[in-house]
Amino acid sequence: KAGVTQTPRYLIKTRGQQVTLSCSPISGHRSVSWYQQTPGQGLQFLFEYFSETQRNKGNFPGRFSGRQFSNSRSEMNVSTLELGDSALYLCASSLGRVGPETQYFGPGTRLLVL
Amino acid sequence: AQTVTQSQPEMSVQEAETVTLSCTYDTSENNYYLFWYKQPPSRQMILVIRQEAYKQQNATENRFSVNFQKAAKSFSLKISDSQLGDTAMYFCAFKGANAGKSTFGDGTTLTVKP
Repeated sequence: KAGVTQTPRYLIKTRGQQVTLSCSPISGHRSVSWYQQTPGQGLQFLFEYFSETQRNKGNFPGRFSGRQFSNSRSEMNVSTLELGDSALYLCASSLGRVGPETQYFGPGTRLLVL
Repeated sequence: AQTVTQSQPEMSVQEAETVTLSCTYDTSENNYYLFWYKQPPSRQMILVIRQEAYKQQNATENRFSVNFQKAAKSFSLKISDSQLGDTAMYFCAFKGANAGKSTFGDGTTLTVKP
């Protein structure tokens, strides 16, 4: 099976702009989670989508939003970009069962905000 | 809330030797998974090994094995016959019943020296 894919791999934006990142999960996986990775804060959970609905949310401002499509692909949007949004954004997919299960990660999108 | 602690920010090991990375966690859940992920400089997060909490037997995957001490909430990773390709950041992660969210430690940067 193909792994988790993310596009684009690299992105440069300026403050105030908005950005959309895309994630395609492993075939058959219905859950997509997003994480922000920075040197100072480590890996932090943004949100999770399952069956086109946000099922769980981390502690991030409303500028960070997402959605999921009927084919389980997910997009993440960040509006009014700030310098502190520069990070590696990782998405992870899983089957979406209730309870513990394994998440598989994509290669990430490196966002640089100038 | 769950917490995951990796007390060794950096470690190094000679090629062909054995190294152990430490991880402790805190949770009130009884049913959960624990993971070790590897993130090489290329940034792709790769699953190394998984341990289901209900299993008493320690998981092994080729040169990688864990020492899971449930009562002590300890989950260490042993890498045998270290190879140059093992150079990476290693993350310990917890996945409980909280949908879509894994909790990560701060990571341990492992350098394998020739």
